[in-house]
Amino acid sequence: DSGVTQTPKHLITATGQRVTLRCSPRSGDLSVYWYQQSLDQGLQFLIQYYNGEERAKGNILERFSAQQFPDLHSELNLSSLELGDSALYFCASSVAPQRDTYEQYFGPGTRLTVT
Amino acid sequence: GQQVMQIPQYQHVQEGEDFTTYCNSSTTLSNIQWYKQRPGGHPVFLIQLVKSGEVKKQKRLTFQFGEAKKNSSLHITATQTTDVGTYFCAALSYNTDKLIFGTGTRLQVFP
Repeated sequence: DSGVTQTPKHLITATGQRVTLRCSPRSGDLSVYWYQQSLDQGLQFLIQYYNGEERAKGNILERFSAQQFPDLHSELNLSSLELGDSALYFCASSVAPQRDTYEQYFGPGTRLTVT
Repeated sequence: GQQVMQIPQYQHVQEGEDFTTYCNSSTTLSNIQWYKQRPGGHPVFLIQLVKSGEVKKQKRLTFQFGEAKKNSSLHITATQTTDVGTYFCAALSYNTDKLIFGTGTRLQVFP
């Protein structure tokens, strides 16, 4: 158990819909990262937040957005869903921004299926 | 942009054989991390390398950072079925705060 929690574990929805994925980082971690992992694919970095502020952006679609709240939990919002958005979405946390080179702790992931 | 390539993509070995995965970057790296993802699981941090030419060992696993800090390798001696999974390198370059994950190497070990 990494200490990072993600809800829900599974999500099945239809094309065009909007969903919200939730992540609670490890106690004491200020950075939250979101990744997308499609079937048999690597980890695609989406976005990073540090202490409530957006820190770095990866290949995140305009239909996707995220935020980190004052209690440090984070939400990833996916809208106008397409079949290709079906994937495993991981949240990870670390003590500090990556520049300080701390390892990331990953949550169990949310499996999103768009039908 | 920065690219991090891993080879091979897949590797099937007999239990007891050695295994090596290689990670190559197009830019000089600040540091490199290695993660393991078991089937159906999430990535788990293994180790971080920072210094040029650094070599670290964890039991049967040996991690190496290239002299030019552009490549890294993970070598497993005498593989066991518990080594099954996908091994990812993750690289941090000097000009970005983003940790870029490699494409991963999926290891299958046959008993």
